Amino acid sequence: NAGVMQNPRHLVRRRGQEARLRCSPMKGHSHVYWYRQLPEEGLKFMVYLQKENIIDESGMPKERFSAEFPKEGPSILRIQQVVRGDSAAYFCASSLRTGLDTEAFFGQGTRLTVV
Amino acid sequence: DQQVKQNSPSLSVQEGRISILNCDYTNSMFDYFLWYKKYPAEGPTFLISISSIKDKNEDGRFTVFLNKSAKHLSLHIVPSQPGDSAVYFCAAITKNTGNQFYFGTGTSLTVIP
Repeated sequence: NAGVMQNPRHLVRRRGQEARLRCSPMKGHSHVYWYRQLPEEGLKFMVYLQKENIIDESGMPKERFSAEFPKEGPSILRIQQVVRGDSAAYFCASSLRTGLDTEAFFGQGTRLTVV
Repeated sequence: DQQVKQNSPSLSVQEGRISILNCDYTNSMFDYFLWYKKYPAEGPTFLISISSIKDKNEDGRFTVFLNKSAKHLSLHIVPSQPGDSAVYFCAAITKNTGNQFYFGTGTSLTVIP
């Protein structure tokens, strides 16, 4: 049973380009979370999705960022017109269920560098 | 608005001694607390958790203590080993927002052989 898989591990984009980050949750997990870690900061919640639905996007910047979790395929975090401040490590996590007593399993992250 | 705080960015401990990592929170609605361990270039991995109805949970060398009145929890590692060197994140969730983990900024632990 493979863990949470994220790709690419490293992504370099020029300012103004688009970045697409992919996350395949653990087998059987239908809850996916995206977190961002900026340098010298902790993990900040961005968005929570279930299959085909965005449940909570309260941590997502209002512009340029979007996320999806289609019925088939991985979850995608999309950043349009990237800026230098988007440079960070983006972590995806998945869980079997939500609520208390829930352990989220994290992927290895995608490190985005905007040049 | 940092609801979970880890005020010590780093900690160094001799091998064999006790490591104590601290975490404070501001939201009294938090029901469940977790500690994650993170090595460089890897994702966080779950270490140990505690429900708000308990004040202690132990798993091998790792013990988490919760003081609800002080809104404080701590992770004790005894005895510390060099392989414990990593960044430790404290996290909390509530019944109301069980889908969202609130993380602290992390404490980097170095265990000196």
